[in-house]
Amino acid sequence: QKEVEQDPGPLSVPEGAIVSLNCTYSNSAFQYFMWYRQYSRKGPELLMYTYSSGNKEDGRFTAQVDKSSKYISLFIRDSQPSDSATYLCAMSSGGYNKLIFGAGTRLAVHP
Amino acid sequence: GAVVSQHPSRVICKSGTSVKIECRSLDFQATTMFWYRQFPKQSLMLMATSNEGSKATYEQGVEKDKFLINHASLTLSTLTVTSAHPEDSSFYICSAPDGEGRPQHFGDGTRLSIL
Repeated sequence: QKEVEQDPGPLSVPEGAIVSLNCTYSNSAFQYFMWYRQYSRKGPELLMYTYSSGNKEDGRFTAQVDKSSKYISLFIRDSQPSDSATYLCAMSSGGYNKLIFGAGTRLAVHP
Repeated sequence: GAVVSQHPSRVICKSGTSVKIECRSLDFQATTMFWYRQFPKQSLMLMATSNEGSKATYEQGVEKDKFLINHASLTLSTLTVTSAHPEDSSFYICSAPDGEGRPQHFGDGTRLSIL
């Protein structure tokens, strides 16, 4: 079993839809949770960064962390074609420890 | 925000050549940097952790003599692919956290093609 599970998709939605992306994990030591967006042939771009459980909102993006269920989510409201990319969840136990990534979910938002 | 610059973005060279990739933190100091490799449609695979002033820590299965890492300053880490062969062709990406417990910021990657 992988430490972090993420459905690779692809996920195809119409413009304006609400997108829900999820990851589950098994290591209870994880304290820091991140979502990255990666366009083709580019490095990952940090979207959301959350410490411990709770919600965080930034514009059209909302990140949720439920440590009791070992489950994290990213919601994208009013999705746009420019949101079409691969979304990677990542987590770590803190310090300068390495990130553990999910497989990435490929999202396509069509006009 | 924190910026990581990676250079070059694209390299095409002949088999047997050694290739150096630079990773710089532009507006913060990075005692630790990470090097990843990514194959098409796959997630990032951590190769090694680069520590300023000390030896890098390599992940299992990564040849340390093949992938030389040097982290000589708080803003620069380099990855040298020695005697590169076609199977080393890949997308190499570096990252650095802008502090302890902080998120990692990624460079834009280097696409390496060995002919």
